[in-house]
Amino acid sequence: DSGVTQTPKHLITATGQRVTLRCSPRSGDLSVYWYQQSLDQGLQFLIHYYNGEERAKGNILERFSAQQFPDLHSELNLSSLELGDSALYFCASSGAGVSKNIQYFGAGTRLSVL
Amino acid sequence: GENVEQHPSTLSVQEGDSAVIKCTYSDSASNYFPWYKQELGKGPQLIIDIRSNVGEKKDQRIAVTLNKTAKHFSLHITETQPEDSAVYFCAASRGSGTYKYIFGTGTRLKVLA
Repeated sequence: DSGVTQTPKHLITATGQRVTLRCSPRSGDLSVYWYQQSLDQGLQFLIHYYNGEERAKGNILERFSAQQFPDLHSELNLSSLELGDSALYFCASSGAGVSKNIQYFGAGTRLSVL
Repeated sequence: GENVEQHPSTLSVQEGDSAVIKCTYSDSASNYFPWYKQELGKGPQLIIDIRSNVGEKKDQRIAVTLNKTAKHFSLHITETQPEDSAVYFCAASRGSGTYKYIFGTGTRLKVLA
């Protein structure tokens, strides 16, 4: 168990809908990263938050947004869903100091857009 | 742009043989290179990592080598076991402001009993 919790595990929804994915980082970790894993694209970096502030954005669509709350949990919001958004979404957290490079991944949320 | 190439995409070995997976990165500022193992239905799990100031690191049956000049790094698994069967991902990170990972495309390793 990595200590990173993602909910829900599975999500099935229809095109055009909006969903929210939740991530609770390991205790004490200030950084949360979101990644998308699809069959043809591998693991793609979406966004990084550190202690509530956005630190970096990857190829994240404008329909997607994220935030990190004061209790350090993070949410990834996906709107106007399309079939191509079906994928596994992972969050990872990392700590500080010498361990700041090391990311611990949750079990993921599998999103199916029908 | 930032890119990590990983080869091979699939690899089958006999139990007890060695397996080698290779990655090449494009960003010369990358300084941290982790390897993750992903089993079916699970999230990626860190198995070994190496920093740019080190050429080789070993942990029991697993080793990683780094050639900064050529910008490539490799994962070596010796005495493979059926439980080593999984998808393995390499990644590179530059660690300036953000420690985001650029992942390779993955290698599906099958260890045949």
